[in-house]
Amino acid sequence: KQEVTQIPAALSVPEGENLVLNCSFTDSAIYNLQWFRQDPGKGLTSLLLIQSSQREQTSGRLNASLDKSSGRSTLYIAASQPGDSATYLCAVWYGSARQLTFGSGTQLTVLP
Amino acid sequence: NAGVTQTPKFRVLKTGQSMTLLCAQDMNHEYMYWYRQDPGMGLRLIHYSVGEGTTAKGEVPDGYNVSRLKKQNFLLGLESAAPSQTSVYFCASSYAGQGRYGYTFGSGTRLTVV
Repeated sequence: KQEVTQIPAALSVPEGENLVLNCSFTDSAIYNLQWFRQDPGKGLTSLLLIQSSQREQTSGRLNASLDKSSGRSTLYIAASQPGDSATYLCAVWYGSARQLTFGSGTQLTVLP
Repeated sequence: NAGVTQTPKFRVLKTGQSMTLLCAQDMNHEYMYWYRQDPGMGLRLIHYSVGEGTTAKGEVPDGYNVSRLKKQNFLLGLESAAPSQTSVYFCASSYAGQGRYGYTFGSGTRLTVV
């Protein structure tokens, strides 16, 4: 079964720390991988989209990498701020699928 | 503001009642999706549409029906609500298939079935 796993489920860090969120997927034949942010009671906001031919994407303090051979992606957040507190979701479009497969997310808390 | 709008935002239903959730997008996207989000289970696809007049089943379609009569609207219907359908429902749209250009999500509908 094609799955997406995010560990840990929750993470708490002090403000200013650089941090990495992890996402793993079970099949290297993917079209793309996306990272989303979800604030409590809100919808999902797309952060970064990495196509299968790309190794990384950057937006401001965020950098996402993709390693298909190992089935892993990381979301790097530099100089974290309390406003970064949210749940971060990873989603993969597998080549044989007709839908995005989502991980369960990592709930990030950045402490002032 | 351009985007995906879901109505209503909250609803409480009694078991056996029916209702329709409306999703509207103004970005001229071809593809639209309905997901449900449950604690610890991530988002699961209920139904989707690849264009006006088309619908297809996702991962968890039982108990739901959908219609896409107009390109900008995607309706999700519950014919006879059950407590197991208590969830947060999200609509999303995309310009092309396979998520090539990313997804835009609505803010969600929180449904409670008692």
